[in-house]
Amino acid sequence: GESVGLHLPTLSVQEGDNSIINCAYSNSASDYFIWYKQESGKGPQFIIDIRSNMDKRQGQRVTVLLNKTVKHLSLQIAATQPGDSAVYFCAENTEGFKTIFGAGTRLFVKA
Amino acid sequence: NAGVTQTPKFQVLKTGQSMTLQCAQDMNHEYMSWYRQDPGMGLRLIHYSVGAGITDQGEVPNGYNVSRSTTEDFPLRLLSAAPSQTSVYFCASSMGGDNQPQHFGDGTRLSIL
Repeated sequence: GESVGLHLPTLSVQEGDNSIINCAYSNSASDYFIWYKQESGKGPQFIIDIRSNMDKRQGQRVTVLLNKTVKHLSLQIAATQPGDSAVYFCAENTEGFKTIFGAGTRLFVKA
Repeated sequence: NAGVTQTPKFQVLKTGQSMTLQCAQDMNHEYMSWYRQDPGMGLRLIHYSVGAGITDQGEVPNGYNVSRSTTEDFPLRLLSAAPSQTSVYFCASSMGGDNQPQHFGDGTRLSIL
């Protein structure tokens, strides 16, 4: 079936460095992609999204890149802070509404 | 603005018991969904609703029922709890229309003994 997956299950970075979290998706018909952040004991929190007619979108300290040719999505976090430590999920919307989540990447930020 | 509120936060059940997980949102969102999250995995869609009176099955619907009598509430019912339903359950809502991010509650941690 269609799926969204992640290349790395864990990522450890030094405080102040940039983080890059990668994601592969398999449904070429998906036209909307989202990154969520989940802190311990909390529900997923929306970070940034991108539509398939774009290849880059920037937010505050975060950038999402979309490469439709190889069906790859990435989340870049600039100047990573301890508060960025969490599990990050990429997700894609199918049928305009149904969301399929990847397994998640845990980001550790070392002080 | 409370967003999405789930109750209870924790629950322990015995096999065969039934219970209802509550979910309410105060954002007037049309779409609501229930997910389960198992250790080391992403969220899997159980049931969803695109408006009051309308529900449909997601990826893992067996053993669960839902109803949507109002825009605000979307309860999830476990008819006869099984150990395989031990999980963390998340409710989410989003605005109507395609391609909108979802807003999640903080989850209900359910253990079935």
